Amino acid sequence: DTAVSQTPKYLVTQMGNDKSIKCEQNLGHDTMYWYKQDSKKFLKIMFSYNNKELIINETVPNRFSPKSPDKAHLNLHINSLELGDSAVYFCASSQESRRQETQYFGPGTRLLVL
Amino acid sequence: EDQVTQSPEALRLQEGESSSLNCSYTVSGLRGLFWYRQDPGKGPEFLFTLYSAGEEKEKERLKATLTKKESFLHITAPKPEDSATYLCAVQNQAGTALIFGKGTTLSVSS
Repeated sequence: DTAVSQTPKYLVTQMGNDKSIKCEQNLGHDTMYWYKQDSKKFLKIMFSYNNKELIINETVPNRFSPKSPDKAHLNLHINSLELGDSAVYFCASSQESRRQETQYFGPGTRLLVL
Repeated sequence: EDQVTQSPEALRLQEGESSSLNCSYTVSGLRGLFWYRQDPGKGPEFLFTLYSAGEEKEKERLKATLTKKESFLHITAPKPEDSATYLCAVQNQAGTALIFGKGTTLSVSS
């Protein structure tokens, strides 16, 4: 069973387009995250949601908008895509309780903006 | 500012040649230190969580240790299938996000 899944796996699009990436977890976790991994493989937090509420919003352009319809899903919508948005985007989830906060990652969505 | 530095950036070993990866950190109150393995084209896979200095955890050929300033991932008698990028991350007391290092890419040849 897939614990954290993302769709699509690959996304190739033109500059200026709007695209969405979807994430679902079946672990029963109540916190979900989006991370960006750049070309140098450096992973950096973008957003975090706890029980559908935004709790972390790092310095990310407002073209990026996360949406959490329920605590098992966290989607990422990107408006007006730019070349610099090309990266791998990872979704993760964790259980927000003492000593149970290990984050489990999805397989990633590879975004290429042309 | 919280920071994680991993060294070396890349490590090449012969099968059976034991070694250690280093993760140095500065954090405003350590909530936990995490080790992940990442294979090419895949998401990070959880290995260990360490919470306090002196703690050690083992899994097969891997052993993670923690001091107040750094963590080591010891690899004993590695095999080619241990080749991957190993990521270290910390979580501070204030937030839930993980702060990652840039990783150590390990290559084990037979």
